[in-house]
Amino acid sequence: QVQLQESGPRLVKPSGTLSLTCDVSGGSISNNNWWNWVRQPPGKGLEWVGDIFHTGSTHYNPSLKSRVTISLDKSKNQFSVRLTSLTAADTALYFCARGSEAGALDVWGRGTLLIVS
Amino acid sequence: SYEVTQALSVSVALGQTARITCGGNNIGTKNVHWYQQKPGQAPVLVIYRDSFRPSGIPDRISGSNSGNTATLTISRAQVADEADYYCQVWDTSFWVFGGGTNLAVL
Repeated sequence: QVQLQESGPRLVKPSGTLSLTCDVSGGSISNNNWWNWVRQPPGKGLEWVGDIFHTGSTHYNPSLKSRVTISLDKSKNQFSVRLTSLTAADTALYFCARGSEAGALDVWGRGTLLIVS
Repeated sequence: SYEVTQALSVSVALGQTARITCGGNNIGTKNVHWYQQKPGQAPVLVIYRDSFRPSGIPDRISGSNSGNTATLTISRAQVADEADYYCQVWDTSFWVFGGGTNLAVL
């Protein structure tokens, strides 16, 4: 059973850069899945950040595209998100999730809270 | 970009049927996925490709999609169904979530 676990700093200063990692266990990141990042500001709805395939192909939310990069490390079976030029608006719970063949996000991590302050 | 709209809240009497909608231009031509999120928890996929249930999701939960509206239907609503529900749609090259609907079971 695939499990995902996010890790990274909880507090970052404004104008700084966020780097989060998602460890994939119980399955290979090289399977035919898209690996996603989704975030949720406190008390608000879900916002899709972007995804990556094991070939390195990516898609990004247009509203974040200029600031976000998603990458993966097959040797460590993990994928990462990097978000630059942080502001308070980037404060959110960040989830990593697996995309199924249909694109639906069928496995989620528990999420990690990032505070920009 | 493609916009999807959801009502902020829906209420249903215990044991009755709740319908949560996701509106979008010709959304019936797209695949819609639905998620349930309870406070303090990660979202859970409850419907994919409009009407398919992942294993473990009760058949009280169903989905449909036609025209400009996708609908998540919860029959025989229980207190345990109280949660936020989000629809998700693919727009050319990126995913879009609806704003979410809070379901209250009275």
